[in-house]
Amino acid sequence: QSALTQPRSVSGSPGQSVTISCSGTSSDIGAYDHVSWYQQHPGKAPELMISDVNRRRPGVPNRFSGSKSGNTASLTISGLQAEDEGDYYCCSYAGSYIRIFGTGTKVTVL
Amino acid sequence: QEQLVQSGAGVMQPGASVKVSCKASGFTLTKYYMHWVRQAPGQGLEWMGIINPSSGGASYAQKFQGRITMTRDTSANTVYMELRSLSSEDTASYYCAGSYVYAFDIWGQGTPVTVSS
Repeated sequence: QSALTQPRSVSGSPGQSVTISCSGTSSDIGAYDHVSWYQQHPGKAPELMISDVNRRRPGVPNRFSGSKSGNTASLTISGLQAEDEGDYYCCSYAGSYIRIFGTGTKVTVL
Repeated sequence: QEQLVQSGAGVMQPGASVKVSCKASGFTLTKYYMHWVRQAPGQGLEWMGIINPSSGGASYAQKFQGRITMTRDTSANTVYMELRSLSSEDTASYYCAGSYVYAFDIWGQGTPVTVSS
């Protein structure tokens, strides 16, 4: 299976909103409501932000939200803050225990 | 506090094998399905496979079939990942991660592995 497709980078000023897309196929994102999103800071392990398309992990600010339409999932950060800078990865269940990650998106706060 | 603690970094010769350990601390290993994910320098995340610590059954990404083995030792609360026939393309940080259902709820700190002669 090929990696899910994400934009290489997105940027925004503090307080603005940014949306990261995650494009897959009818065999992964389109088939299951099991898309999760991870934030990774340099030199650190990834951290779960959202599971099952739109379920925020306890403790994750509500400015983070997830959605899905067809074969594409999205992560929106509303009210961008400096600490939101980092790399973001989507991941989808693809059946038979398989997980597929996205290519990753670097978020820059201007 | 729940943690996954991984073994330290290593430098391996091409053609060799590496075995990385991941010890659960603060919880019983069987609470989660355990996965291995790797990340080459400057690159994205890549799922390698999953092991059910209760049964020991494992399933691997097609890319690694034939040269990867995931095992567990429940008495040591530890899972292991062995990757054989290493090449420079296997230079990466290797993470263990636990999923209660589908998402990766908890991650280890990562184990850097360098393959170089």
